[in-house]
Amino acid sequence: DAGVIQSPRHEVTEMGQEVTLRCKPISGHNSLFWYRQTMMRGLELLIYFNNNVPIDDSGMPEDRFSAKMPNASFSTLKIQPSEPRDSAVYFCASSSAGTGIWETQYFGPGTRLLVL
Amino acid sequence: AQSVTQPDIHITVSEGASLELRCNYSYGATPYLFWYVQSPGQGLQLLLKYFSGDTLVQGIKGFEAEFKRSQSSFNLRKPSVHWSDAAEYFCAVGARNTDKLIFGTGTRLQVFP
Repeated sequence: DAGVIQSPRHEVTEMGQEVTLRCKPISGHNSLFWYRQTMMRGLELLIYFNNNVPIDDSGMPEDRFSAKMPNASFSTLKIQPSEPRDSAVYFCASSSAGTGIWETQYFGPGTRLLVL
Repeated sequence: AQSVTQPDIHITVSEGASLELRCNYSYGATPYLFWYVQSPGQGLQLLLKYFSGDTLVQGIKGFEAEFKRSQSSFNLRKPSVHWSDAAEYFCAVGARNTDKLIFGTGTRLQVFP
């Protein structure tokens, strides 16, 4: 099994630019989670999907952030326009949870984003 | 609201010594509890989880954790630490009927030879 795949692994961009992070969940998993990790705030859940439908986006910091899951094998997290305070490591995780979080969440390697 | 507290930000132990990482949770009912490990530059890997049943849970890499309802704790232990255990450890709690995990702030483990 390839595990959760994220791209790019590293992204450096300038303030105001659009950033798109990509995630391919583990095949067969039907829940997908986007997290952000910073020194100041730790690991925060931004949004999660179940069967491609956004279930809870209460963690999305503001309208500059958007996430989509057009099919079961692909999701994007977009920041437009990006700001220096968006610099963080963004993780994608997936699970086979059909009914709750008692299924293990498998994490991708993360995308390290630096906004200058 | 659910919350997780990891009181120790940074712990240093000698290789071969025993280890205990503390985790306290706040949740009204029986929670789902997890320990994850994050090696430098890597994603999070599940060490173990508790859902119900035996309160002493065995995980990978020789780790175990004990759920103590009376103390609202889920401490992680290992009898003999290896240098490769140096990493950051996260405790997490999940609530029934949701898919959300709430993570603690993590404990960074440093191992001296």
